[in-house]
Amino acid sequence: AQSVTQLDSHVSVSEGTPVLLRCNYSSSYSPSLFWYVQHPNKGLQLLLKYTSAATLVKGINGFEAEFKKSETSFHLTKPSAHMSDAAEYFCVVSDQNTGFQKLVFGTGTRLLVSP
Amino acid sequence: EAQVTQNPRYLITVTGKKLTVTCSQNMNHEYMSWYRQDPGLGLRQIYYSMNVEVTDKGDVPEGYKVSRKEKRNFPLILESPSPNQTSLYFCASSLGWDTGELFFGEGSRLTVL
Repeated sequence: AQSVTQLDSHVSVSEGTPVLLRCNYSSSYSPSLFWYVQHPNKGLQLLLKYTSAATLVKGINGFEAEFKKSETSFHLTKPSAHMSDAAEYFCVVSDQNTGFQKLVFGTGTRLLVSP
Repeated sequence: EAQVTQNPRYLITVTGKKLTVTCSQNMNHEYMSWYRQDPGLGLRQIYYSMNVEVTDKGDVPEGYKVSRKEKRNFPLILESPSPNQTSLYFCASSLGWDTGELFFGEGSRLTVL
């Protein structure tokens, strides 16, 4: 069965510094991977997705993630954090064999951005 | 505006009192799903529906029911709520089951005393 592990429950950065949110996955088949963001008191919003095309995926708001099969990782990065990036981020995996209705969510990483 | 609307957003109820959380989407999406979010556990799928009259269990379906009589609506029913169903619930929809992009409602926070 597929699973994801988000390695940090909280990440704190200063505004203007790089962001790195780490995600490792486990999947029996070719995985599709996603990052979603949840701002306070809001639903989740798709940031970006990987579905076996280019391994470097660009998303909204300057975020990107790189699929590394050898490391089973899909880390989320941004060169320069903004105050509005403070939110909770979820890494999500789905096996193409089972379809996207069986998305498996990580436990989330809360990003704190200080001035 | 394209959106997924859930009601109520907040509810406090007592054990055993039946309740329904409604979910409606205006994007003509075929796929809809319910999740619950609990601290340290991420989101877990309760039920999903691939189209009208087609529903299936997710990972944590016990204590919940759903129905999909119309394409736009996917209510979540708690026939006899218990305190362990206290949680934040999200409804989501997608154009198809294989697109990968879910559109989420803003959540319904339920407390069962």
